[in-house]
Amino acid sequence: GNSVTQMEGPVTLSEEAFLTINCTYTATGYPSLFWYVQYPGEGLQLLLKATKADDKGSNKGFEATYRKETTSFHLEKGSVQVSDSAVYFCARGGSGGGADGLTFGKGTHLIIQP
Amino acid sequence: GAGVSQSPSNKVTEKGKDVELRCDPISGHTALYWYRQSLGQGLEFLIYFQGNSAPDKSGLPSDRFSAERTGGSVSTLTIQRTQQEDSAVYLCASSTQGLAVNEQFFGPGTRLTVL
Repeated sequence: GNSVTQMEGPVTLSEEAFLTINCTYTATGYPSLFWYVQYPGEGLQLLLKATKADDKGSNKGFEATYRKETTSFHLEKGSVQVSDSAVYFCARGGSGGGADGLTFGKGTHLIIQP
Repeated sequence: GAGVSQSPSNKVTEKGKDVELRCDPISGHTALYWYRQSLGQGLEFLIYFQGNSAPDKSGLPSDRFSAERTGGSVSTLTIQRTQQEDSAVYLCASSTQGLAVNEQFFGPGTRLTVL
């Protein structure tokens, strides 16, 4: 079936460390891909997205590239800050262009220590 | 501007009771989504509305769950004869159109606890 798999957390890093959170998906066709973030006490919000193969989404120093050949959308940041501590969700949209709702990974809890 | 709002923010109910959860989408957003977030299942898609119509209800967990949307705006998710496994945070989201590429804006959620 269609699913999203991301690395389990918690992931604990020191400030200024390099971050990678892996995400792979299965789908028929070429779905849009998203990273959502949930900061403590706040709702889910979109971090970045990519809508076709080789697209790179970027925001707030985070990047993710849509890799069709490896069906991956790994999230990276070169230098994390304490304020990046949150739960990160990888998600894919419907493959047909219509809105089937998002399929989410289980989330990765990121903890950045000063 | 105003985001997606949901009410109540918290609901505690007894097993077997009915509950109604409300979602007010962002003004002008034609697409509206319901999700459920629980510890065991993560984030699950439940149902989607384009205008007042829900093309596919197969994501609803059981026939105790129903949803409606009127006037292309407010939506209610109703759970009849609640069970303990219904305990979760119910999230609503809206987007400008029902397209897979569009960003969905999420509300703060309703935390449902079934005793």
